[in-house]
Amino acid sequence: EVQLVESGGDLVQPGGSLRLSCAASGFTLSGYWMHWVRQVPGKGLVWVSGISADGSTTVYADSVKGRFTISRDNAKDTLYLQMNSLRGEDAAVYYCVREAGSFDFWGQGALVTVSS
Amino acid sequence: QAGLTQPPSVSKDLRQTATLTCTGNSNNVGDQGAAWLQQHQGHPPKLLSYRNNNRPSGISERFSASRSGNTASLTITGLQPEDDADYYCSAWDSSLGAWVFGGGTKLTVL
Repeated sequence: EVQLVESGGDLVQPGGSLRLSCAASGFTLSGYWMHWVRQVPGKGLVWVSGISADGSTTVYADSVKGRFTISRDNAKDTLYLQMNSLRGEDAAVYYCVREAGSFDFWGQGALVTVSS
Repeated sequence: QAGLTQPPSVSKDLRQTATLTCTGNSNNVGDQGAAWLQQHQGHPPKLLSYRNNNRPSGISERFSASRSGNTASLTITGLQPEDDADYYCSAWDSSLGAWVFGGGTKLTVL
């Protein structure tokens, strides 16, 4: 069974940093592009970032470019999102998502709150 | 980054048919089509359809997708109470080099 389990969500002050992790199981992580998608509770889905299967290619939404870094450790079956210079508008539930041409499996999400 | 356009809400009676739309452009929906996701409150999204009308294993045949030009559609037949949810479309935008989502449609089954 495919499982994606996010961790690392927390309350952080504006300007602060946070690293999210996503532990994958039930499939071979190294065979898939992986992404982070966020959602403010009650609002729509917003794509944040993606990384190729071997980690050589990364893509970012304009809103996070230069502040967020996506990475992966296929040996540890884990995806990461390093978030720096956090702003109020970054507060959301962050989902780890597998891509197989489309977003076919989603984690339960990690809540990031940005507030002083 | 520009997104896809979906009507905010649709209401239909039980056992009726609902058709949800998603409008993009030639760089996203019109290029490689759209995928559809269903999300119940408090839960992560679930993939219903990809590349216009391919259903993942376990998804009911009551859900069918199509595309005409730059507009994708999701048709749900024989509406059930459990179909009451938010529906999102998504597509890769080759011009933006980014994935885009629609704003979502809240489907209410009366």
